[in-house]
Amino acid sequence: SQTIHQWPATLVQPVGSPLSLECTVEGTSNPNLYWYRQAAGRGLQLLFYSVGIGQISSEVPQNLSASRPQDRQFILSSKKLLLSDSSFYLCAWKHPGTANTGELFFGEGSRLTVL
Amino acid sequence: GENVEQHPSTLSVQEGDSAVIKCTYSDSASNYFPWYKQELGKRPQLIIDIRSNVGEKKDQRIAVTLNKTAKHFSLHITETQPEDSAVYFCAASRSGGSNYKLTFGKGTLLTVNP
Repeated sequence: SQTIHQWPATLVQPVGSPLSLECTVEGTSNPNLYWYRQAAGRGLQLLFYSVGIGQISSEVPQNLSASRPQDRQFILSSKKLLLSDSSFYLCAWKHPGTANTGELFFGEGSRLTVL
Repeated sequence: GENVEQHPSTLSVQEGDSAVIKCTYSDSASNYFPWYKQELGKRPQLIIDIRSNVGEKKDQRIAVTLNKTAKHFSLHITETQPEDSAVYFCAASRSGGSNYKLTFGKGTLLTVNP
């Protein structure tokens, strides 16, 4: 069976510090990978998605970047955090070849607080 | 791009009553409409979805209806139970082009009072 792991679960960082959130998927190959941000009252906002190693599509220009160094690894980064980066970040994956349909499987999320 | 509006933002019902959550979408090419449920402190999970070639789909106490002409779709929960309390998200996506992403609504916090 497939599983998704996301860490760290919680993170408190000072303004201007770097960020690295990691996500790995097990039990499948070449998954479509996603980073979402969930702010209170604002739903699930797609930040980045990837359909293959090194292939990153950005949906929202901002202080964050994403990378996919391995097939089942997806990393969300920032060089300098802003207060506005405080949020709940969710990694998700989908089976390849499902086009625009198919279930999104979410990780347990990472709560980031920037002070 | 696609824009999905969801209403209401909060909904409180008595146990046993029905609950209806409505969403509208802007992209007439959207053809896939899933609903996700997020219980407090947990990850969102798919509960039901519908494709544009179908007008209604049911799964036990949950049903989704789609009106392509009006570009809106709704989630119906009958005989609500306290465990139905959660945030519900609708979403829409289209095939072709950047067909790998879902656009979500802002969510509805459903509270079922015993």
